[in-house]
Amino acid sequence: AQSVSQHNHHVILSEAASLELGCNYSYGGTVNLFWYVQYPGQHLQLLLKYFSGDPLVKGIKGFEAEFIKSKFSFNLRKPSVQWSDTAEYFCAVGNGGFKTIFGAGTRLFVKA
Amino acid sequence: DTGVSQNPRHKITKRGQNVTFRCDPISEHNRLYWYRQTLGQGPEFLTYFQNEAQLEKSRLLSDRFSAERPKGSFSTLEIQRTEQGDSAMYLCASSLGTRNTFGSGTRLTVV
Repeated sequence: AQSVSQHNHHVILSEAASLELGCNYSYGGTVNLFWYVQYPGQHLQLLLKYFSGDPLVKGIKGFEAEFIKSKFSFNLRKPSVQWSDTAEYFCAVGNGGFKTIFGAGTRLFVKA
Repeated sequence: DTGVSQNPRHKITKRGQNVTFRCDPISEHNRLYWYRQTLGQGPEFLTYFQNEAQLEKSRLLSDRFSAERPKGSFSTLEIQRTEQGDSAMYLCASSLGTRNTFGSGTRLTVV
């Protein structure tokens, strides 16, 4: 079955700490991978995406993610978080078509 | 505003009533999706349109749910005989390629 698993439901960090959010997927065939962010009171926004090529993908606001095919993983990283990164983060996988499967999300709280 | 627009933002309804939500996608986007998001979960795929054709429906979409996109532009999602379990955020997204742009959603509360 197609699924996306996010390792942590809640993460609390202090400002300037490094962030890594885990994501593993189970999906047959070619995959497109995404990280979305939802700031409090706002709609889902795309942070970054991987379709092909360089497995290290850079997104907006200093985020990056690495696709490791052998581990079926697409972990999100940021070297130094800010208070404004407080949000919920969703990993998602699609097959290049119409259907995207989302993980349950990770709520990140950054202490000022 | 050229984003995806959803109306209403909030809907409170009594159990057993019918409700209808509207989604206006980005005008040049030919694909339109409906998702449902409950507390503590990520969005779950409900259905997908390419232009006016509904190409897939999730098993989550029971017979009480129907979606239309009559002219390949806006879409409506109707829930008949609402149940408390239907309480959720209903999200619409549109795309031209593989990048979905999401609307702010309609929050449904069934009392």
